[in-house]
Amino acid sequence: DTEVTQTPKHLVMGMTNKKSLKCEQHMGHRAMYWYKQKAKKPPELMFVYSYEKLSINESVPSRFSPECPNSSLLNLHLHALQPEDSALYLCASSQEGRTIGTQYFGPGTRLLVL
Amino acid sequence: AQSVTQLDSHVSVSEGTPVLLRCNYSSSYSPSLFWYVQHPNKGLQLLLKYTSAATLVKGINGFEAEFKKSETSFHLTKPSAHMSDAAEYFCVVRGSNFGNEKLTFGTGTRLTIIP
Repeated sequence: DTEVTQTPKHLVMGMTNKKSLKCEQHMGHRAMYWYKQKAKKPPELMFVYSYEKLSINESVPSRFSPECPNSSLLNLHLHALQPEDSALYLCASSQEGRTIGTQYFGPGTRLLVL
Repeated sequence: AQSVTQLDSHVSVSEGTPVLLRCNYSSSYSPSLFWYVQHPNKGLQLLLKYTSAATLVKGINGFEAEFKKSETSFHLTKPSAHMSDAAEYFCVVRGSNFGNEKLTFGTGTRLTIIP
């Protein structure tokens, strides 16, 4: 099973709202990722968690706050977003360590900020 | 440092004809290479991966890719296109130095299938 699940599928929020995106995998992977994808562009890496610790933050604004409560779950907390933050947010996971590290992606959450 | 170039932003083929999506890479190390497909309003699905084993890699849905070190290429092919192949395809390289889990994506190739 190579399934990564994400909820919700769609989210509309105002600039003053607080919302969270959720990601879950049960493949025993120890690395999890958040990507942002704008229309007709490749995904851009935002955060990497390795063994439940933040290992990479690609200079993402603080209005995006990641959280990894356990090895299967990854959250992205959203607060005071801007309309330009509207995008498809993708979660991925991979095995950590001396492996190929193939990343498996979820279906994404399509976010619209009004 | 690593980079990947997808040589065509858009490819159109007729149903039943061969598909060729071109990708060239640059990497300081022996790379891992991947092709992902993204159907409209969907996430990314792994088609196939090269991991320094066999140079001809077979993937899902009849796709395959050949790693050519001398040409620094990893082109994606399929003998006969199907309507369901219409999607965006990303060629991706991963640095193989330990601990570097970052992927570098190409800009994508949109594949259109003509009935």
